[in-house]
Order: sequence, then structure tokens, then C-alpha cells
Amino acid sequence: QTVVTQEPSLTVSPGGTVTLTCASSTGAVTSGYYPNWFQQKPGQAPRALIYSTSNKHSWTPARFSGSLLGGKAALTLSRVQPEDEADYYCLLYHGGVQLWVFGAGTKVTVL
Amino acid sequence: QPQLQEWGPGLVKPSDTLSLTCTVSGDSISGSSYYWGWIRQPPGKGLEWIGSVFHSGTTHYTPSLKSRVIISVDPSNNQFSVTLSSVTAADTGLYYCVRHEPLGGPDYWGQGTLVTVS
Repeated sequence: QTVVTQEPSLTVSPGGTVTLTCASSTGAVTSGYYPNWFQQKPGQAPRALIYSTSNKHSWTPARFSGSLLGGKAALTLSRVQPEDEADYYCLLYHGGVQLWVFGAGTKVTVL
Repeated sequence: QPQLQEWGPGLVKPSDTLSLTCTVSGDSISGSSYYWGWIRQPPGKGLEWIGSVFHSGTTHYTPSLKSRVIISVDPSNNQFSVTLSSVTAADTGLYYCVRHEPLGGPDYWGQGTLVTVS
């Protein structure tokens, strides 16, 4: 069974920077995993932020950026604002079984 | 921009079949290069990919649910559906319908519909 691992929780100060990571049990994450990132606030549907590693949707704030870092996908939040407090989920494509798998999510607290 | 809206019974009995439909507006399923999929979220837990369908009827399912799930498409009504058989309490949760590119994650999501198995 394929497992995608994220940090359970992270805390960041307003105006600070935080990096979330996303790893796959199948090995190093590359661009071929087409990493996606989603933000979910309480009571709301998830909102897409990043696709194909580092591409932003038209609505994605500039302070969010995606990359590959040390064999993992990464989401960096810069100049963090209080409204960035949310759960963040990564999604990876595992081509061998044509399977999309979510990570368990990272709860980001702005404090 | 596309809008997706899920609908269906909010309460299903154990061992019965869960059936939900998603109506799409602002985009045409039949003329689209996108896949149309379903994702679920148990209460207080994370997201789980269920599967997706292309307008041609081509489907892809997550292995853990493959034996119980069918996703179908109705291009004439711009809708697609999911059925999940032999449900248990573990199938309780919010069910979201989404649009995604063949090698891209979902960009547009429905608001989600809560299904309780009890």
C-alpha cells in the first residue's frame, strides 16, 4: 500500500516562513509524481493551490510556492498571514498503478 | 468557471449501496479534456481519492475501493455519478466531486455532501 507522509503539524509566526514536505513510500518524489497542494479551512471544501510541483492556479496567492526538496515535494508559505492557518494536503500521482494518493495533511497554526 | 454540485441521499443503511451524482455547469463533460472524479473525507480525517472517469467512459479507481466502486458519466446531462456497494460505517463522510486534468490534481471542487451510513 502506497503511503504519502506529511508533517502532522507546524507552527509559524505571522510574517514568517514555513515549509511543508510530502514524501512517498515508493521512493524519492520527482516531477513525475505531479505533486499537488491543497488548503482546507474548517467547514470548507479544499482549495487547490499548486499543481505539477510548482505551478500556481490563477487564484493562488504569490506567497505560496511549490518545489522539490531533498526527495520530497515541498510547499513554502512566505510572509505568513493569520488567514493561512489551515490544513494543507499534498497529492501525488503514482503512475505504475495510475493512482493518486493524498498525504494525511499538515495542520499549520499561525501563532 | 466550472461549478460542481453533488447530490444524493444523506443516509444509507449498512450493506446497502451509496449513490451520488455530480452536476457540472460552466464546462461541458463531453467536450472537455478533463477527468471527473470523486474524493471523500471521513469526519475529522484526511482526504481519500476514490476514482475518476473520462467522457469516453474510461475509469480509474483507487485499489482499496476498486471492488466496490463504479464511477459513470452521463454527458448528455452533464453529470457523473459514483456508486459504492456494501457500505459500512467506515464509508461515512463528506463526498466531493472534482474536475482534474489527466496528469493534474483537482482544480475545481464541489462543496461536498455528507453521507452517513447508519
